[in-house]
Amino acid sequence: AQSVTQLGSHVSVSEGALVLLRCNYSSSVPPYLFWYVQYPNQGLQLLLKYTSAATLVKGINGFEAEFKKSETSFHLTKPSAHMSDAAEYFCAVSDGQAGTALIFGKGTTLSVSS
Amino acid sequence: GAVVSQHPSRVICKSGTSVKIECRSLDFQATTMFWYRQFPKQSLMLMATSNEGSKATYEQGVEKDKFLINHASLTLSTLTVTSAHPEDSSFYICSAHGPTESSYNEQFFGPGTRLTVL
Repeated sequence: AQSVTQLGSHVSVSEGALVLLRCNYSSSVPPYLFWYVQYPNQGLQLLLKYTSAATLVKGINGFEAEFKKSETSFHLTKPSAHMSDAAEYFCAVSDGQAGTALIFGKGTTLSVSS
Repeated sequence: GAVVSQHPSRVICKSGTSVKIECRSLDFQATTMFWYRQFPKQSLMLMATSNEGSKATYEQGVEKDKFLINHASLTLSTLTVTSAHPEDSSFYICSAHGPTESSYNEQFFGPGTRLTVL
């Protein structure tokens, strides 16, 4: 079985500060990992994904994440937060098999203050 | 890129009525679609997996007779909430598998439907 744990349900940063959202996974098979962002009353937008290629993955809006197998982690970072980054962020895991759903973490709310 | 639409975006209905939500893949064919439910300030909970031409697979605890899923074509899946009650009020989101084998199980999400049952 697969699972995802997002540490910290709420993260607050100042504009321009480093953003770090934590995600740890559990999987009995090599995982595929995803980060999604959700703005209020909207669907999910893919930020980036890890698919067993490069361990450092670059996504949209300046976000990146590093897959660390030894730590079973896939933390999301952004060097400098922008007010528009304030949203809900979800980490998700998959076994890569067609027809299987993503397993989501509980989400982390990112607040950015000026 | 792959686009998934949902209709309606918002719906308000009276208790006891049924509501149908449509999920469409606009520029690709989706043999598998997923329906999620999201409560305020919470994560997405998988309700069911919808497969074109066959019965949906429901997650444990989801009432199949209450949440009817029909995946009649490769571009359309519908979720019907039957005899809706206030506790069914929620944000419903659908997703579809990407159109190519190289999508690594990436799912493309619809914009969601906000259901309010009075």
